[in-house]
Amino acid sequence: DGGITQSPKYLFRKEGQNVTLSCEQNLNHDAMYWYRQDPGQGLRLIYYSQIVNDFQKGDIAEGYSVSREKKESFPLTVTSAQKNPTAFYLCASSTLAGQAYEQYFGPGTRLTVT
Amino acid sequence: KQEVTQIPAALSVPEGENLVLNCSFTDSAIYNLQWFRQDPGKGLTSLLLIQSSQREQTSGRLNASLDKSSGRSTLYIAASQPGDSATYLCAVRPEVNNAGNMLTFGGGTRLMVKP
Repeated sequence: DGGITQSPKYLFRKEGQNVTLSCEQNLNHDAMYWYRQDPGQGLRLIYYSQIVNDFQKGDIAEGYSVSREKKESFPLTVTSAQKNPTAFYLCASSTLAGQAYEQYFGPGTRLTVT
Repeated sequence: KQEVTQIPAALSVPEGENLVLNCSFTDSAIYNLQWFRQDPGKGLTSLLLIQSSQREQTSGRLNASLDKSSGRSTLYIAASQPGDSATYLCAVRPEVNNAGNMLTFGGGTRLMVKP
């Protein structure tokens, strides 16, 4: 089955701890993205990566970090510097070739920090 | 900076009714617009993608229209069913795509279809 997997589905952490969210895709897509969604709101872009070993900040990158060592994987670390980390996190991928540039989304990880 | 607004934020209709969801965007220089469905606690499923040169796209009971010059799109759902209950999000992609396929999302419309 081709697709995007995110793990875990639910994650609980104490304030002050860093936590890493996993995102893996087997779609052979070049680009990968991380979004944050707060209740009743749309998605906001945290980071994106167009190729391996390269990534760019999105609109709300402060308090987050990423790496892209493999084409298939784009983990997101929520650091203790993120003021309001509790949210729903969505990973997406797309191929940059072709006209549509359609993004495909994973099932999401709900992070709760107390 | 592009801003995307969806009205209404929530909508409740009886089963069988036809309905329209609205999406507006401030910068008309878009490459395409995409409508997504999101079930509670789940990821996004793409419903329809309209290129800036197109006026509408249809898939089954769904029809999305685009008026790029006025910055508006609508998603029409015919003969609504309880299974259509979900949040519907629209997102636009900029015309100048040198920023890596960035999408700007609206806040979504939460739809409930009552049996």
